[in-house]
Amino acid sequence: SQQGEEDPQALSIQEGENATMNCSYKTSINNLQWYRQNSGRGLVHLILIRSNEREKHSGRLRVTLDTSKKSSSLLITASRAADTASYFCVLDSGGYQKVTFGTGTKLQVIP
Amino acid sequence: GAVVSQHPSWVICKSGTSVKIECRSLDFQATTMFWYRQFPKQSLMLMATSNEGSKATYEQGVEKDKFLINHASLTLSTLTVTSAHPEDSSFYICSARPWTGEQPQHFGDGTRLSIL
Repeated sequence: SQQGEEDPQALSIQEGENATMNCSYKTSINNLQWYRQNSGRGLVHLILIRSNEREKHSGRLRVTLDTSKKSSSLLITASRAADTASYFCVLDSGGYQKVTFGTGTKLQVIP
Repeated sequence: GAVVSQHPSWVICKSGTSVKIECRSLDFQATTMFWYRQFPKQSLMLMATSNEGSKATYEQGVEKDKFLINHASLTLSTLTVTSAHPEDSSFYICSARPWTGEQPQHFGDGTRLSIL
């Protein structure tokens, strides 16, 4: 099974700035999801984008998907210290197939 | 919305102990559940697919006899780490997807296992 490659591996920004992280993959997907994980905690589902969608918004989050390039990006606008966490893209082939996680981006937002 | 409950949240025990982790789908039935493992500062790696009423499917490199999976009902899967050793210390997370199939996976809150 494939694993998504995320970049950057780590990102440190000042509060108020925007944060962008990218996910690339190799095979076809039904949908792609982004999750947040605070240190040592469970996963929080952020947003799901289907393969026939190109862009999706949710609050301060903006996700794009380019299936021709097999890549997705997550943009967090006006970042806050509480956004400090690891972010994972999750590749979903749909149905009852397993999902696979990206390598993750560790975001630090400095107050 | 769909909820997956995982228990316990954390376990600390002595080497040689067997530890059971439960994963329950609270408001939907799941014929398939998934178990993941996460080492510190790393991503989540799929360990096995738990199938209700049949044997689990393990990923390459995962010891079947070490990590026993039982999926006896449509709402409960258990992962037992047998004779746990310090190298088994990790964060374990389960997930399940509602029947409809088009919904995202729902994850438990994870279990932090520390073997002394």
